[in-house]
Amino acid sequence: GENVEQHPSTLSVQEGDSAVIKCTYSDSASNYFPWYKQELGKGPQLIIDIRSNVGEKKDQRIAVTLNKTAKHFSLHITETQPEDSAVYFCAASSGASNTGKLIFGQGTTLQVKP
Amino acid sequence: DAGITQSPRHKVTETGTPVTLRCHQTENHRYMYWYRQDPGHGLRLIHYSYGVKDTDKGEVSDGYSVSRSKTEDFLLTLESATSSQTSVYFCATGLAGNEQFFGPGTRLTVL
Repeated sequence: GENVEQHPSTLSVQEGDSAVIKCTYSDSASNYFPWYKQELGKGPQLIIDIRSNVGEKKDQRIAVTLNKTAKHFSLHITETQPEDSAVYFCAASSGASNTGKLIFGQGTTLQVKP
Repeated sequence: DAGITQSPRHKVTETGTPVTLRCHQTENHRYMYWYRQDPGHGLRLIHYSYGVKDTDKGEVSDGYSVSRSKTEDFLLTLESATSSQTSVYFCATGLAGNEQFFGPGTRLTVL
């Protein structure tokens, strides 16, 4: 079935360093790829997304890249800060576009050490 | 997520009892979703709705049912709760185009 694999499961970086989280997906029809940040005790929050007609998108310190041929996409966080510490989820659209369904990766716990 | 509320936020129940979780939105979004979140599994779709009275199954729908009688409310029912349904449940809403916005979650414990 449709699947999204996310790596690594945990990531620890020093404040100011960059962090990269990678995902691969199986459904070649997927055309929407969001990233969510989840802080402890809260619901996931959309932080950036990309559609299949774009290869890269940036928003301040966050960027996402997409390689449709290889079916993988990545989240890049530069100049990390302690408040970036959270669980990050990638997702890929699934099924017919009129359902809005997403398949999520397993999550990456990012720890930014001061 | 200010426009999405879930109730209750925490619940402890016993095996075999029915449980209903409520999701309420003020965003007038067409789509609504119920997920469960378990360690190592990310978020898994239970059921979703693409309009009033229009619902369909997700990847982990066994043991769950849903109803949507109004745009703003989406109910998830565990007809006879089991310990394997202990989880954190999230509701999400969305417009066309796949963007989804999540509620604060309900932590359910089945003893």
